[in-house]
Amino acid sequence: AQSVTQLGSHVSVSEGALVLLRCNYSSSVPPYLFWYVQYPNQGLQLLLKYTSAATLVKGINGFEAEFKKSETSFHLTKPSAHMSDAAEYFCAVSDKTSYDKVIFGPGTSLSVIP
Amino acid sequence: DVKVTQSSRYLVKRTGEKVFLECVQDMDHENMFWYRQDPGLGLRLIYFSYDVKMKEKGDIPEGYSVSREKKERFSLILESASTNQTSMYLCASSLGGLAGATDTQYFGPGTRLTVL
Repeated sequence: AQSVTQLGSHVSVSEGALVLLRCNYSSSVPPYLFWYVQYPNQGLQLLLKYTSAATLVKGINGFEAEFKKSETSFHLTKPSAHMSDAAEYFCAVSDKTSYDKVIFGPGTSLSVIP
Repeated sequence: DVKVTQSSRYLVKRTGEKVFLECVQDMDHENMFWYRQDPGLGLRLIYFSYDVKMKEKGDIPEGYSVSREKKERFSLILESASTNQTSMYLCASSLGGLAGATDTQYFGPGTRLTVL
């Protein structure tokens, strides 16, 4: 069965610093992978997704993620954090063996310190 | 833009009450989903539907049922609410069909349900 782990339930960075949010997956088939963001009091919205094309995926708001099959990872990065990046971030994998449903990780809460 | 709306942002109910959570999407999406979100557990799938009148159990269906009589509307029902169902409930929709596993899910703002 597919699963997703996110290292660090809470990450704090200074404004202007590098953002690195970690995601590892397990999958018996080549995966499709997603990062979603949830701003306070809102639903989730898609940041980016990997669908087996380029391994480096660029998303909205300056975020990108790199699919590394050998490490079973899909870490999310942003070169310079902004105060508006403070949110909950969820990594997810698509379960192609079960009606294409999506399995979400537990989430990482990002705080940005001025 | 896709819009997914949920009937209530906040809801307070008593143990044993029947609770209806409504979700409507306006983009003619095939798939609709109900999740509950709890701290440290991420999103857990309760039920999903890939067509009108079709439903599939997710990972935690116990204590819940769903109804999809029209394509744009997906309802979550708590037959007899219990305190352990206090949570944030999120509805989502996706295109479905050939898009399949690469679908983007579009989420509503959530309903925070408290069962006393």
